[in-house]
Amino acid sequence: AQSVTQPDIHITVSEGASLELRCNYSYGATPYLFWYVQSPGQGLQLLLKYFSGDTLVQGIKGFEAEFKRSQSSFNLRKPSVHWSDAAEYFCAVGADNTDKLIFGTGTRLQVFP
Amino acid sequence: NAGVTQTPKFRILKIGQSMTLQCTQDMNHNYMYWYRQDPGMGLKLIYYSVGAGITDKGEVPNGYNVSRSTTEDFPLRLELAAPSQTSVYFCASSYQGGAFFGQGTRLTVV
Repeated sequence: AQSVTQPDIHITVSEGASLELRCNYSYGATPYLFWYVQSPGQGLQLLLKYFSGDTLVQGIKGFEAEFKRSQSSFNLRKPSVHWSDAAEYFCAVGADNTDKLIFGTGTRLQVFP
Repeated sequence: NAGVTQTPKFRILKIGQSMTLQCTQDMNHNYMYWYRQDPGMGLKLIYYSVGAGITDKGEVPNGYNVSRSTTEDFPLRLELAAPSQTSVYFCASSYQGGAFFGQGTRLTVV
C-alpha cells in the first residue's frame, strides 16, 4: 500500500537558517510527489510537485525538493528561512499517479527571530 | 479568481442531525475531492469525483455521501452526525497536476 512518512512532527529553526524537512514514501513505481503548506486556519497551498524528469524541483517561496529513488525520499529544502515560513508542511503522494493524495502526518515549522 | 469555495466556514451540529457542506470551483476542473483533517493525522480522502455524475469512495467514506451533478459543485452530505465526525473538512479540485484546496469547514458535533 502507498504511504508517506514525515518523521519530524515539529522543527524549530532560527530565521535565516537553512531548512530541510524529511519525507519518505512507499510506492512501487515512480510516484507523483507533492509538498503542501498550511498556515493556521487556512487551506493547503501547493509548494511544488514531482512527476518525472529532473529530480531537483523548484517551487514557490524559494523552496526546492529532491527526489531520491534509492532512498524513497522527497525532502523539502530552503536555504534561508523567513519568519513567514512558520506553518505546517505536508508531503503527499498521488495514489495510482493521480491527484488522489495520500498525506503524511505533517511537520510543524516554528521560526525564531 | 475565487478558486475553490467552501461554505460554511464553521458549524456546530448536534448528534443525529444532518447537514450538507457545500463546495464549488470555478476552474473547470474535472476532478474534485473531499478530505478530512484531524490533529496529528494529516488529511484523509473521503470521496472523490472524476467528473459530473461520477463519484467514488476514498479511504474514510463511512457516514458521508456525495453527489456531482455539475462540474462546479461537489457537496458532501453528513447523515446522522456523530462525534467522530468532528473535524476540519477540505474540498479540493485538480487538473491532474496538483490539487487546489478550499479554506475548509470546521465542524463540531456535540
